[in-house]
Amino acid sequence: QSVLTQPPSASGTPGQRVTISCSGGNSNIRSNTVNWYQQLPGTAPKLLIYTDNQRPSGVPDRFSGSKSGTSASLGISGLQSEDEADYYCAAWDDSLNGPVFGGGTKLTVL
Amino acid sequence: EVQLVESGGGLVQPGGSLRLSCAASGFTVSSNYMSWVRQAPGKGLEWVSLIYGGGNTYYADSVKGRFTISRDNSKNTLYLQVNRLRTEDTAVYYCGGSPRVLHLYGMDVWGQGTTVTVSS
Repeated sequence: QSVLTQPPSASGTPGQRVTISCSGGNSNIRSNTVNWYQQLPGTAPKLLIYTDNQRPSGVPDRFSGSKSGTSASLGISGLQSEDEADYYCAAWDDSLNGPVFGGGTKLTVL
Repeated sequence: EVQLVESGGGLVQPGGSLRLSCAASGFTVSSNYMSWVRQAPGKGLEWVSLIYGGGNTYYADSVKGRFTISRDNSKNTLYLQVNRLRTEDTAVYYCGGSPRVLHLYGMDVWGQGTTVTVSS
């Protein structure tokens, strides 16, 4: 059971906008920045968003991140079939004195 | 080209040991944040260990006292020594680094993964 809670699944149709939530607490999301990773089937994770809302070079601007209080969100606009993947939030936890992942959300493009 | 190449996984009996290696190219391991992350079959990602700065380290409670992260600057390689292995350590182990975004837990380059199977 992770200290960061994500919905196990999400879905949308091509072109739609979807949002994936990540809920934490005072020791992680409220006091530290949030990163988001995408993992396509059978591959290593890929950094999608860092420091709450920054995109690494090469990540399309269809992907966006936001944070408020003890929750964070990943937004994906103009949904495409290749976005079908598992998505993980991550944050530093002051109580654990280390980084933690959320449980992951499996995104299905219908 | 920035790249990580892992090796060292395999089949090992409970109680056994392995040393996982992660060779870097295109950036310097010793001056970057480096991590090991694992994924058990059908499960989510788990942050196993992290090394940064002059040798600061983090270990998940599940591996503390059994796993050791280290760096060889001359070989530009990251290691994870895994001892007293348990069946629940069975997973794909990924190494990651942050040479581009320079974020403590923002790994922007990853290895291909190496599989550790613990079974009798």
